[in-house]
Amino acid sequence: GAGVSQSPSNKVTEKGKDVELRCDPISGHTALYWYRQSLGQGLEFLIYFQGNSAPDKSGLPSDRFSAERTGGSVSTLTIQRTQQEDSAVYLCASSLRWENNQPQHFGDGTRLSIL
Amino acid sequence: GQSLEQPSEVTAVEGAIVQINCTYQTSGFYGLSWYQQHDGGAPTFLSYNALDGLEETGRFSSFLSRSDSYGYLLLQELQMKDSASYFCAVETGANNLFFGTGTRLTVIP
Repeated sequence: GAGVSQSPSNKVTEKGKDVELRCDPISGHTALYWYRQSLGQGLEFLIYFQGNSAPDKSGLPSDRFSAERTGGSVSTLTIQRTQQEDSAVYLCASSLRWENNQPQHFGDGTRLSIL
Repeated sequence: GQSLEQPSEVTAVEGAIVQINCTYQTSGFYGLSWYQQHDGGAPTFLSYNALDGLEETGRFSSFLSRSDSYGYLLLQELQMKDSASYFCAVETGANNLFFGTGTRLTVIP
């Protein structure tokens, strides 16, 4: 596709369930980023991938959060044993390269609601 | 710790000029970016400043002073469609962005 694609666009689930969020970056983009945005707040950086490698996982809020990227393309963000505080919009972005001054192109996000 | 400060809300009249300020304190600095986000939409890239001075892109301009840890986004000839949230973001490492909490701009007739 022409832009970053995220699925699902909305997800409602019960507390304690696991959820998996998917991101399809722009074709050819080697860098991929995950952010979390709570209502009316800024973007909280979670993790980035340079190719398939995630050099820094310190932004993940807890060990319930994990992410992977395969084939240098699609990435999944998994949240295990979801909690109500996990409710937010999860945004994925990609850039052509992982270097300075590379605009990040965002998807429309996945709106996650934990009941 | 790291911090970014920008006003939470700004209101301006259609056709006018508005300036959104951003001050930052971060452990690393490579550049300052601005992103626009309409309600329910994805953030979109507006500008990037790595060096001091003014960068102009159409109706939007962005300024940076590294010595003052300060930048601003200037929007001219405001249009109703400019109503959105505007985020400044510091590039703290190679393309690692630390975002502010955003400024909600409301353009009124």
